[in-house]
Amino acid sequence: KAGVTQTPRYLIKTRGQQVTLSCSPISGHRSVSWYQQTPGQGLQFLFEYFSETQRNKGNFPGRFSGRQFSNSRSEMNVSTLELGDSALYLCASSGLAGTAYEQYFGPGTRLTVT
Amino acid sequence: QKEVEQNSGPLSVPEGAIASLNCTYSDRGSQSFFWYRQYSGKSPELIMSIYSNGDKEDGRFTAQLNKASQYVSLLIRDSQPSDSATYLCAVIDSGGYQKVTFGIGTKLQVIP
Repeated sequence: KAGVTQTPRYLIKTRGQQVTLSCSPISGHRSVSWYQQTPGQGLQFLFEYFSETQRNKGNFPGRFSGRQFSNSRSEMNVSTLELGDSALYLCASSGLAGTAYEQYFGPGTRLTVT
Repeated sequence: QKEVEQNSGPLSVPEGAIASLNCTYSDRGSQSFFWYRQYSGKSPELIMSIYSNGDKEDGRFTAQLNKASQYVSLLIRDSQPSDSATYLCAVIDSGGYQKVTFGIGTKLQVIP
């Protein structure tokens, strides 16, 4: 069974630009969560989507947004990029019966803001 | 602010020894706990989940949960150099759904 995929794997953007990252969950999984990982802060929860609805949101500014499509694929968008947004962005999917809370991560998108 | 605390390490153990990784959490109502392993430059990989007090064993790994003390641990027996990685403790918030708080992770070094 295919794992979680994320595109693109690497991105270099300039301050002030916006970026869209994509995540395709494991087939059958309906929950997709997004995280930001930096060396100093570790894994920080951004938001979680289930059946196209945002169920949870972390403590990030409104520049960070996301959505989920009917096929469970998800995108996250960061507008007006700042240098501090440079990080590894990970998505994770979950949702199989009996293991609903176990999350499986994609390879991540490495975003560099210059 | 719900917190998950881990010692960032590094924790160094000789090959063949038992590595003990610890985690405490602040949300007394949490019911679901996980350990992830993350190799340098890679994404986290789920290695253990535990939901009930006590021990859960899977091969060389044993997860231990004590909800009264709000404490979760991971034991790795017969540690191998390939176990060298950062181990992340994760806790699902009691507020429901799938909001997960991760610890900063403990870096484990297994010395040959």
